[in-house]
Amino acid sequence: AAGVIQSPRHLIKEKRETATLKCYPIPRHDTVYWYQQGPGQDPQFLISFYEKMQSDKGSIPDRFSAQQFSDYHSELNMSSLELGDSALYFCASSTGTSAYNEQFFGPGTRLTVL
Amino acid sequence: AQSVTQLDSHVSVSEGTPVLLRCNYSSSYSPSLFWYVQHPNKGLQLLLKYTSAATLVKGINGFEAEFKKSETSFHLTKPSAHMSDAAEYFCVVSGHSGYALNFGKGTSLLVTP
Repeated sequence: AAGVIQSPRHLIKEKRETATLKCYPIPRHDTVYWYQQGPGQDPQFLISFYEKMQSDKGSIPDRFSAQQFSDYHSELNMSSLELGDSALYFCASSTGTSAYNEQFFGPGTRLTVL
Repeated sequence: AQSVTQLDSHVSVSEGTPVLLRCNYSSSYSPSLFWYVQHPNKGLQLLLKYTSAATLVKGINGFEAEFKKSETSFHLTKPSAHMSDAAEYFCVVSGHSGYALNFGKGTSLLVTP
């Protein structure tokens, strides 16, 4: 079965650089969520999209932005990177927005900021 | 706001003995609760979910959890631990607005031979 695809899997950037993370949801999933997991931390919700519109916003810094495209893939854009942005970034997808809908997680993108 | 508290940051069991990972929740209404597992350097995998259909929920790999409203708990259990169960376990509640997941701090399960 198709799973959530994230690219790249690993990314190394310097401070103050920009990064773009991509997420391809499971086919026919219309909702995408982004989470950030710092070293030894629990995942923290950043932002979500339903049918290409932002549906919820969590602890996403102003330096970050995201969008969902017509094919439902999503991109997380991160600018002016800081050391503290080093983390594992997960994308999850689901069908519709419901508390009962399972979110399927991708393998994550590990971002290292030097 | 919905939140979960995992009562143990680390649990160590011997292979073949029962596993109990404790989780309490806080919610102003009937919550949707999940347990996710994360193996080292891997993504998050859903073990099971509670969505008010049945209080005893069975998941994958022999895990189950019981929703107890009177105790606001959703503890994860398994009768017999296997070495492959060693991982980080997250108790999760679904938010009310937008349904983003709120994760607990995680419990690291160690299984010894």
